[in-house]
Amino acid sequence: RKEVEQDPGPFNVPEGATVAFNCTYSNSASQSFFWYRQDCRKEPKLLMSVYSSGNEDGRFTAQLNRASQYISLLIRDSKLSDSATYLCVVISYNFNKFYFGSGTKLNVKP
Amino acid sequence: GAVVSQHPSWVICKSGTSVKIECRSLDFQATTMFWYRQFPKQSLMLMATSNEGSKATYEQGVEKDKFLINHASLTLSTLTVTSAHPEDSSFYICSARGGTLTEAFFGQGTRLTVV
Repeated sequence: RKEVEQDPGPFNVPEGATVAFNCTYSNSASQSFFWYRQDCRKEPKLLMSVYSSGNEDGRFTAQLNRASQYISLLIRDSKLSDSATYLCVVISYNFNKFYFGSGTKLNVKP
Repeated sequence: GAVVSQHPSWVICKSGTSVKIECRSLDFQATTMFWYRQFPKQSLMLMATSNEGSKATYEQGVEKDKFLINHASLTLSTLTVTSAHPEDSSFYICSARGGTLTEAFFGQGTRLTVV
């Protein structure tokens, strides 16, 4: 079983739509969680951390459900510039391994 | 955020030769560096984790004698692809974390093409 699993998509949505991605992880001892964004042929860049209490940054909301072992990312009022691949990242217990999901591709269309 | 510099950004080499990729943390001490490989339209795959001054820990299926990793200082890690073959052509990315940083910061990536 993969450490981290994501629906690869693509999610094709119109501008202004709300879209949500989920990501499940297998190791219940995982410590920290992040969402990264990767544009085509570029390196991943940190989008936001995911806290147990949930956190929001503008149009983006991230949540963690430890009981069900998944994290989610909600994007409201989608913009064309949000088109990218979104990767969830889980850090292992000893804080020394980052595991990436396969990424969820988002296409925001005019 | 913190800066990680990776060099070269792209390289073309002949089959059978070796290629070295450098990854430097410019404004923090990277106690841990990670090396990833990404094939087209696929996710990042962790190849190995290295801690400064220690031997790298390789993921299952990654040949340690083929992908030599050196992390001799807190600001530099290198990945050497030895006797490269066309199937090694890929996008290689390093990331680093250290100190009080909980997230990882990525280098720009190296696109390797073996002909």
